[in-house]
Amino acid sequence: QQQVKQSPQSLIVQKGGISIINCAYENTAFDYFPWYQQFPGKGPALLIAIRPDVSEKKEGRFTISFNKSAKQFSLHIMDSQPGDSATYFCAASKSGTGTYKYIFGTGTRLKVLA
Amino acid sequence: DAGVIQSPRHEVTEMGQEVTLRCKPISGHNSLFWYRQTMMRGLELLIYFNNNVPIDDSGMPEDRFSAKMPNASFSTLKIQPSEPRDSAVYFCASSLGAGGPRGEQFFGPGTRLTVL
Repeated sequence: QQQVKQSPQSLIVQKGGISIINCAYENTAFDYFPWYQQFPGKGPALLIAIRPDVSEKKEGRFTISFNKSAKQFSLHIMDSQPGDSATYFCAASKSGTGTYKYIFGTGTRLKVLA
Repeated sequence: DAGVIQSPRHEVTEMGQEVTLRCKPISGHNSLFWYRQTMMRGLELLIYFNNNVPIDDSGMPEDRFSAKMPNASFSTLKIQPSEPRDSAVYFCASSLGAGGPRGEQFFGPGTRLTVL
């Protein structure tokens, strides 16, 4: 029940295309869903996050779509660029004992071709 | 402003040796997290501290692993004795307050551990 399932494992997209990464969770107590971006040799960095009281959040070319009833959420990267090539992790968390504990998906390696 | 600092960046050791990984969180942050990243299991939370107190160590794989946070600006993750299956990238992250929507987790650059 604590798992977050992420797909696909890897993704190749042409420059200018749309990249879509999907995640699913089981624990309905989760109340915060961040996406992290990781470049090779670096630590993950927060990209965008959403709470379950909204169905969509957009920041620039990045959009999270959230389906509470299906317990699924996805990251859409519009007009994908070679600089977006990285590994993307979804996560889910719930507050407890005063600190948010993240459960991460297994990651999606995105390659955007020039 | 310095981010999360981890040392060493790379560590190669032999099976059975003690390994100590170090982390300096962002100044003012009061939550600290240790993660392990492998190809097979992705990012796993090992332990986290709030105000220097360990809150949840359920992710620590076994008694060979231990973590301490003697003060707000320093934490260690120790593996004794180390085994080849401990080879991974270990990340430290810190956040202000509870984290989540009230404060994101900032990750360090990681320590790549190789146990021969």
